[in-house]
Amino acid sequence: EVQLVESGGGLVKPGGSLRLSCAASAFSFSSYTMNWVRQAPGKGLEWVSSISSSSSYIHYADSVKGRFTISRDNAKNSLFLQMNSLRAEDTAVYYCARDRDSSGFYFSFDYWGQGTLATVSS
Amino acid sequence: QSALTQPASVSGSPGQSITISCTGTSSDVGGYNNVSWYQQHPGKAPKLMIYDVTYRPSGISNRFSGSKSGNTASLSISGLQAEDEAGYYCSSYSSSTTLVVFGGGTKLTVL
Repeated sequence: EVQLVESGGGLVKPGGSLRLSCAASAFSFSSYTMNWVRQAPGKGLEWVSSISSSSSYIHYADSVKGRFTISRDNAKNSLFLQMNSLRAEDTAVYYCARDRDSSGFYFSFDYWGQGTLATVSS
Repeated sequence: QSALTQPASVSGSPGQSITISCTGTSSDVGGYNNVSWYQQHPGKAPKLMIYDVTYRPSGISNRFSGSKSGNTASLSISGLQAEDEAGYYCSSYSSSTTLVVFGGGTKLTVL
């Protein structure tokens, strides 16, 4: 069964950094575009970033561009999100999500992790 | 403020049908057939219900269907069941600087 397990969330002060990880299993991780989607407490979903299977194509939401960096390690079936210069409005549950098909961008996400909470507060 | 507009809430009785709308622009919903719908129960991760406007992933009940007209996409649920009570989110590819845009979400209450 496909599994995505996020980790790395926690409490950080404004201006600080966090590195989120997502461990993938039971599918050919290196063939799929992967994504981060976040959800602020009591709010809706917000797409954050996407990375193609070979890391050749990377996209960010305007709200995080220049502060967040997405990356992946296909040898370790892992996805990462380095979050710098964090702001209170970045407080959210961050989900790792897989594109619904391999070898391209399909803009819909068929498997999601359970999420990891990042809280930015002084 | 979300890029796509959904009603905040809809409700229906068991066995009835409901429709949730999702309005965007020609840069997203109206211009591309990459509309998806997600179901989210409280405290849980979202679940893909519809992709590419009308397609259901394997295992999703045929009570769920999607459509699109112009800049507005719709999710219809027939034969409402108590387990359908959840939040529903639409999303679309966007040709703007934001690759994927979501709606603000709709809370479905089964009366």
